[in-house]
Amino acid sequence: GEDVEQSLFLSVREGDSSVINCTYTDSSSTYLYWYKQEPGAGLQLLTYIFSNMDMKQDQRLTVLLNKKDKHLSLRIADTQTGDSAIYFCAEIRGSTLGRLYFGRGTQLTVWP
Amino acid sequence: GAVVSQHPSRVICKSGTSVKIECRSLDFQATTMFWYRQFPKKSLMLMATSNEGSKATYEQGVEKDKFLINHASLTLSTLTVTSAHPEDSSFYICSAGTRSDTQYFGPGTRLTVL
Repeated sequence: GEDVEQSLFLSVREGDSSVINCTYTDSSSTYLYWYKQEPGAGLQLLTYIFSNMDMKQDQRLTVLLNKKDKHLSLRIADTQTGDSAIYFCAEIRGSTLGRLYFGRGTQLTVWP
Repeated sequence: GAVVSQHPSRVICKSGTSVKIECRSLDFQATTMFWYRQFPKKSLMLMATSNEGSKATYEQGVEKDKFLINHASLTLSTLTVTSAHPEDSSFYICSAGTRSDTQYFGPGTRLTVL
């Protein structure tokens, strides 16, 4: 399909790891992103990965990229209640630089 | 660094009026700004891309006469929703970037049209 796909909901206990999955559409996408949105707020860039990488780690965040399957995942280690938010994956498509296409977002709920 | 602001954060207007939303990059110059619309429980939808000093490029299905975009300087872009109707009620988010790999998003503007 044409859409960036994400599961809509994920619940974890505080201290556990969270894994949010995404399937994107454009095999020629150069950059793939993870954004966080808290209620009523704009988007915060969490991390991004260039398409020639398989993995990127940044403190508690690990991004895995499987280009063959067009699958992207975000792992949050030691998830905290403050991590509760909506997480969007996004891809850049097309020749116009910077045009981002987003998934519908995964609502992460962290239980104490 | 890399802060993007939007004004107003919330606006309520009557049907038929026009509303202007400002997007500013506060501590950097943005050659390109993007406007998105977000429906409840939905993804962000890219509406248009604007480059400083040139006409905006609209995505398919977005009415350019309805959503007027002006990018007059490297730090300011405006979105004007003309003759607003209740179906235009939404959360509008702008982003600004200087390179192809990074965009910084504003906090969004909640538009409610009565």
